[in-house]
Amino acid sequence: EAEVAQSPRYKITEKSQAVAFWCDPISGHATLYWYRQILGQGPELLVQFQDESVVDDSQLPKDRFSAERLKGVDSTLKIQPAELGDSAMYLCASSLALEETQYFGPGTRLLVL
Amino acid sequence: SQQGEEDPQALSIQEGENATMNCSYKTSINNLQWYRQNSGRGLVHLILIRSNEREKHSGRLRVTLDTSKKSSSLLITASRAADTASYFCATDENNAGNMLTFGGGTRLMVKP
Repeated sequence: EAEVAQSPRYKITEKSQAVAFWCDPISGHATLYWYRQILGQGPELLVQFQDESVVDDSQLPKDRFSAERLKGVDSTLKIQPAELGDSAMYLCASSLALEETQYFGPGTRLLVL
Repeated sequence: SQQGEEDPQALSIQEGENATMNCSYKTSINNLQWYRQNSGRGLVHLILIRSNEREKHSGRLRVTLDTSKKSSSLLITASRAADTASYFCATDENNAGNMLTFGGGTRLMVKP
């Protein structure tokens, strides 16, 4: 069964450093989402892509976060500089189209020291 | 911000018992979805119920939706130790383009 791939699975970094996460959606899925999940809470949407275009990034802290999906397939989420409060699980999801079921990857757990 | 609130926040039951989790939300929705998350892992989609539906079944899962009360419930019957996980409701709000808003989750522990 096709799955959403994410790497790395775990990342430890020091504050003020740059980090990047990668996501490869299920083949053929046009819509891609990045979520942040703080321990003990539900996921919160950061950014949504439809193909290579950003549909919504209203919750993305744009002073330090950036996301791209240049060819409309895989995607990268970057944080620069990382802050202690960025420690969380970063989840990627994809769906065939808008209003279709979202399938989640295993996540990248980030710890900022 | 999180739209949904799950109740209870934590639930501990014995294997074989039924588990009921509730979710309340604030705005009009297209659909409501339930997800399961095992510790430290990604989310697995369980079931979707549309705003014009009142009840839906999938295996041992039963979901109800009451749009007048803006609430939903997830019932897991004949629970198993493998059902131990966190369960989240997520709402797809009207005109939100499939952007899901998740609740805080219910942590279910099923004791063998």
